[in-house]
Amino acid sequence: DAKTTQPPSMDCAEGRAANLPCNHSTISGNEYVYWYRQIHSQGPQYIIHGLKNNETNEMASLIITEDRKSSTLILPHATLRDTAVYYCIVANTGNQFYFGTGTSLTVIP
Amino acid sequence: KAGVTQTPRYLIKTRGQQVTLSCSPISGHRSVSWYQQTPGQGLQFLFEYFSETQRNKGNFPGRFSGRQFSNSRSEMNVSTLELGDSALYLCASSLEREAYNSPLHFGNGTRLTVT
Repeated sequence: DAKTTQPPSMDCAEGRAANLPCNHSTISGNEYVYWYRQIHSQGPQYIIHGLKNNETNEMASLIITEDRKSSTLILPHATLRDTAVYYCIVANTGNQFYFGTGTSLTVIP
Repeated sequence: KAGVTQTPRYLIKTRGQQVTLSCSPISGHRSVSWYQQTPGQGLQFLFEYFSETQRNKGNFPGRFSGRQFSNSRSEMNVSTLELGDSALYLCASSLEREAYNSPLHFGNGTRLTVT
């Protein structure tokens, strides 16, 4: 199953856009890119997923490069409640998600 | 719509004992997965059930087992507990058979402490 690479930590000013990058150079044609976040002591929360087109929902936008080897999660107006660990996952077809170490995002007032 | 419900929320057991954790998926979801989260190893896949059948299993010893009932509710069991089994155990459910186009929705987990 394809693995992902994310920076271990990032800071973002409150009210600004948070752009979280992810590399997944070994992704295969039918694998989707998923993003989750986890706030301490809670279960991971689903944010968004996509195959090759850019996606947007009420929480975030997902930009996937044309070659699908990388993606960026965009939180348009970060708030303090967005402070969390963000995981980028490429889904295994067997319903087995591999979670890496993620990116710890800190939103600064 | 109610989310994934896991019980109990906290559990303290002694080495050598066994434990059973329960998970109720989102209504209509037929796939249930279990994950273990520890500070050292992060989130690791345990197993996944669909229609009462285990479809996938992670790299865990046979002391870890699970099952799924006809109403999609699931339980996992850990026998002969070891100190290293202390972790947050997370259950997730999804709607579709093929996960790669179906998000997993997680519960808030059961925090197991083995003393």
